Amino acid sequence: DVKVTQSSRYLVKRTGEKVFLECVQDMDHENMFWYRQDPGLGLRLIYFSYDVKMKEKGDIPEGYSVSREKKERFSLILESASTNQTSMYLCASSRTSGRLEQFFGPGTRLTVL
Amino acid sequence: RKEVEQDPGPFNVPEGATVAFNCTYSNSASQSFFWYRQDCRKEPKLLMSVYSSGNEDGRFTAQLNRASQYISLLIRDSKLSDSATYLCAGGYGNKLVFGAGTILRVKS
Repeated sequence: DVKVTQSSRYLVKRTGEKVFLECVQDMDHENMFWYRQDPGLGLRLIYFSYDVKMKEKGDIPEGYSVSREKKERFSLILESASTNQTSMYLCASSRTSGRLEQFFGPGTRLTVL
Repeated sequence: RKEVEQDPGPFNVPEGATVAFNCTYSNSASQSFFWYRQDCRKEPKLLMSVYSSGNEDGRFTAQLNRASQYISLLIRDSKLSDSATYLCAGGYGNKLVFGAGTILRVKS
């Protein structure tokens, strides 16, 4: 079974703090993704990576950065957290060939006060 | 217009009913399609892939209509445990685009 883990289930931070969210997958998947999910808006892609040290902006990259130093690990960084970044953050991974199904981690519910 | 659209529902159905959801996509280049199930405050989990010829997995049937650019999910003999949000997804290359989800509530 594919396993995607995320560093925290719940996180509370203050405005202006730097926030690190980490994701690890154990299936040797090439692709990794960061989404945020908000009521009524669905899943929105923040960034994705198709290889180590490679990254591409998704639909809403503003206010976020990412790091992929190892194949199994993909980090999302909020340089200076703001209240509008309060959300559920979901990491996913997939293969780069064949079917594109993505497998998700359990999510991190981030609250920025 | 959103790239992938779903009726948000909720669909309220009695146990044992048959219910169907549709999902339309606007990008004709999309090649891969999936249905995911998401329980409250949990992550989306892959329910089934959608193949061009249609496919069935127990009580669940998925169909793809490329001409009209929609996919569908049919659930037969609904169970209380089917209550969840169902997300459709379509994509090409390395990315998927997800719909916002359809809420299903199965009541006894």
